[in-house]
Amino acid sequence: QKEVEQDPGPLSVPEGAIVSLNCTYSNSAFQYFMWYRQYSRKGPELLMYTYSSGNKEDGRFTAQVDKSSKYISLFIRDSQPSDSATYLCAFTGSGSARQLTFGSGTQLTVLP
Amino acid sequence: NAGVTQTPKFRVLKTGQSMTLLCAQDMNHEYMYWYRQDPGMGLRLIHYSVGEGTTAKGEVPDGYNVSRLKKQNFLLGLESAAPSQTSVYFCASSSQVNTEAFFGQGTRLTVV
Repeated sequence: QKEVEQDPGPLSVPEGAIVSLNCTYSNSAFQYFMWYRQYSRKGPELLMYTYSSGNKEDGRFTAQVDKSSKYISLFIRDSQPSDSATYLCAFTGSGSARQLTFGSGTQLTVLP
Repeated sequence: NAGVTQTPKFRVLKTGQSMTLLCAQDMNHEYMYWYRQDPGMGLRLIHYSVGEGTTAKGEVPDGYNVSRLKKQNFLLGLESAAPSQTSVYFCASSSQVNTEAFFGQGTRLTVV
């Protein structure tokens, strides 16, 4: 079983739609939960970061973590064409190196 | 502020050739990482470093070597390139106190 499973997509939605992106994980040592956004031919950039169960909002983005179910989600409200990118969930523990374990990514296209 | 800079951006190698990928960061980060990204597999950790003069193996270290002689630089070497090493390589760095990892723009390597 892989440590991280991410809905593979691709996902195509009309502008203004609500988007839900999801990952499950199996490693109980993961303590930090992140979403990275990666535009085509660019490096990933951090979008959202949380360490506790519950919801965290930042503008149109909401990160949701359920530690008991080992499940995280990213919701995008009022999606825009500029949100078209690959979204990667990422996890790390409290170890000394803080190396990240990534999901395989979900490619999202928001159609105008 | 350049952040994380990777050199070169593109390279084509013949099987058996060697090369070195250079990563430089100007944020005085302690931790540095090399990942490879392949379609459908997300980013996988090759090697990482927790400080100048230190290196450690990640998830997929075979066929690669690394060195961190200076805090700001992290080199990834391929001694004898194989077609299986065709990938996009990303370097990242982070600090001890902040979980966010900053990524470079990537190096697209093709081994023929």
